[in-house]
Amino acid sequence: QVQLQESGPGLVKPSETLTLTCTVSGGSISTYYWSWIRQPPGKGLEWIGYIYYSGSTKYNPSLKSRVTMSVDTSKNQFSLKLSSVAAADTAVYYCARVDLMTTFDYWGQGTLVTVSS
Amino acid sequence: ELVLTQSPATLSLSPGERATLSCRASQSVSSYLAWYQQKPGQAPRLLMYDVSKRATGIPARFSGSGSGTDFTLTISSLEPEDFAIYYCQQRNNWIFTFGPGTKVDIK
Repeated sequence: QVQLQESGPGLVKPSETLTLTCTVSGGSISTYYWSWIRQPPGKGLEWIGYIYYSGSTKYNPSLKSRVTMSVDTSKNQFSLKLSSVAAADTAVYYCARVDLMTTFDYWGQGTLVTVSS
Repeated sequence: ELVLTQSPATLSLSPGERATLSCRASQSVSSYLAWYQQKPGQAPRLLMYDVSKRATGIPARFSGSGSGTDFTLTISSLEPEDFAIYYCQQRNNWIFTFGPGTKVDIK
């Protein structure tokens, strides 16, 4: 059974960079695409982007200028960096596996990141 | 840019009733339409993919249909554990989009 676990700071200051890591267990990170999705408190889901184990990426156009994703196959991990954060970036951030390049079949439990000074 | 609209925003029903949730796309889309269920404090769970295929472990009371721009998730007889928020999701031009969600609550 594939499991995903997000980790990283729960509090980030405005204008700084949010950095999160997702650790995949129960399966290899290779041969799949992996995604980050966020959900502001009380609101809906927003796809941030995806990364392939080879390192190729695709980002949501609305966030593209601030997003960088990377992958470390030796650790079975992938990461998200979101720069120049503001209060509007406060959200629960989920990592997820992309199945068949169409759906998100496995999700992490999510981690709340608050942007505040 | 593809936009997904879900209706109604809230659906108030009793256990045992039938729930019909709608997802409409701003342009004709492929069959890569999925539905997720989310309960408070939990991550979304994949229910349906490719419009009408149930994900692993999803009971038969859940069904999906539709094509083009109009899609429907039907829960034939609501169980107590089905009261949740449901999101549709589509992939278009390698970009993923979620609808705003429909909350199914207890009447």
